Amino acid sequence: EAAVTQSPRSKVAVTGGKVTLSCHQTNNHDYMYWYRQDTGHGLRLIHYSYVADSTEKGDIPDGYKASRPSQENFSLILELASLSQTAVYFCASSDAREQYFGPGTRLTVL
Amino acid sequence: QQKVQQSPESLIVPEGGMASLNCTSSDRNVDYFWWYRQHSGKSPKMLMSIFSNGEKEEGRFTVHLNKASLHTSLHIRDSQPSDSALYLCAASMNTNAYKVIFGKGTHLHVLP
Repeated sequence: EAAVTQSPRSKVAVTGGKVTLSCHQTNNHDYMYWYRQDTGHGLRLIHYSYVADSTEKGDIPDGYKASRPSQENFSLILELASLSQTAVYFCASSDAREQYFGPGTRLTVL
Repeated sequence: QQKVQQSPESLIVPEGGMASLNCTSSDRNVDYFWWYRQHSGKSPKMLMSIFSNGEKEEGRFTVHLNKASLHTSLHIRDSQPSDSALYLCAASMNTNAYKVIFGKGTHLHVLP
């Protein structure tokens, strides 16, 4: 079965601090995604990537950077965390037929 | 503007009943739809996908697609309490098949 893992699973950060969320997949998929989920907003696409060392902006990229150092790893970086970035973040990998999601990271910014 | 709109926001059906969920896109470039299910506290998992006009059935789940109106619907017959979840519709465009956009979802509650 497809496997996507995320770390940490939960994090509390301070406003203005730097936060890095990590994602690792063992599916050998080319495409990887970062989404955030807030109550009432479904899933919103932040960044995605189709090859190592390249990332693309999604629909809500402001305040976020992404890094894809290898096919297996995809990170989401919040350089200056803000209260509005409190949310659950999901990473996914895709074989174009289906997206496989990780368990999510609950981020609370205080 | 939300490119994928879902309705209703919330739906309550009795156990054994039929649940019908709707999804429409405002982008004429949409050419592929998915339905995902997300139980509370869990990650989304794909239920079904559809890209051709018509109907697709898998067990108690049926998906319809009308490409002319860019409307898809998910129907769950003989609904069970375990079907209670957030149902997410997703779409991709023929301009970028790998950029997948999700709707806000429909909360389905199946009452025993």
